[in-house]
Amino acid sequence: KQEVTQIPAALSVPEGENLVLNCSFTDSAIYNLQWFRQDPGKGLTSLLLIQSSQREQTSGRLNASLDKSSGRSTLYIAASQPGDSATYLCAAYFSGGSNYKLTFGKGTLLTVNP
Amino acid sequence: DARVTQTPRHKVTEMGQEVTMRCQPILGHNTVFWYRQTMMQGLELLAYFRNRAPLDDSGMPKDRFSAEMPDATLATLKIQPSEPRDSAVYFCASGLGRRLDTQYFGPGTRLTVL
Repeated sequence: KQEVTQIPAALSVPEGENLVLNCSFTDSAIYNLQWFRQDPGKGLTSLLLIQSSQREQTSGRLNASLDKSSGRSTLYIAASQPGDSATYLCAAYFSGGSNYKLTFGKGTLLTVNP
Repeated sequence: DARVTQTPRHKVTEMGQEVTMRCQPILGHNTVFWYRQTMMQGLELLAYFRNRAPLDDSGMPKDRFSAEMPDATLATLKIQPSEPRDSAVYFCASGLGRRLDTQYFGPGTRLTVL
């Protein structure tokens, strides 16, 4: 069974700290991996998409990496701000199945304290 | 500002009642996804449509759940009869063709079945 796991489930850091969120997946036949942000009571917002042929993607203070051989992805947030507080989910499209089906991790709840 | 809309935003009902949730995808999008989010299971794909045709509903309990797209501007998810274990947040997302990074999520319907 193809699964996506995120550890830790919750993380609390002081403002200004650099931090890393982790995501692991069980099947190296990954088509791409996507990081989302979810604010309380809201839907999901796509942050970064990494194709299987890529190693990383960057957007502003965010950098996501993908290591297919180890089955891991990380989301690096530089100089964290209270506005970064949210739940971060990673999701994978696995090859061999439908290209439309995302498998999600359960998320990491990030709190950035002022 | 194009966005996915969902109604109702909140629904409280009693066990055994029928529940209908509606989604209006972004105009021009041809794929629609229904997800369910719970604390225990995280985000799970229930069903998805392309060009109004159901492509996969294997994530949906067939005996009580049904999903339809009466037209290109409306997707519905129906539960009949509802059960307390159906309590969750139901998200609709829409996308465009095979662009895997263009799933846009609605705000969700929070369903509570008493």
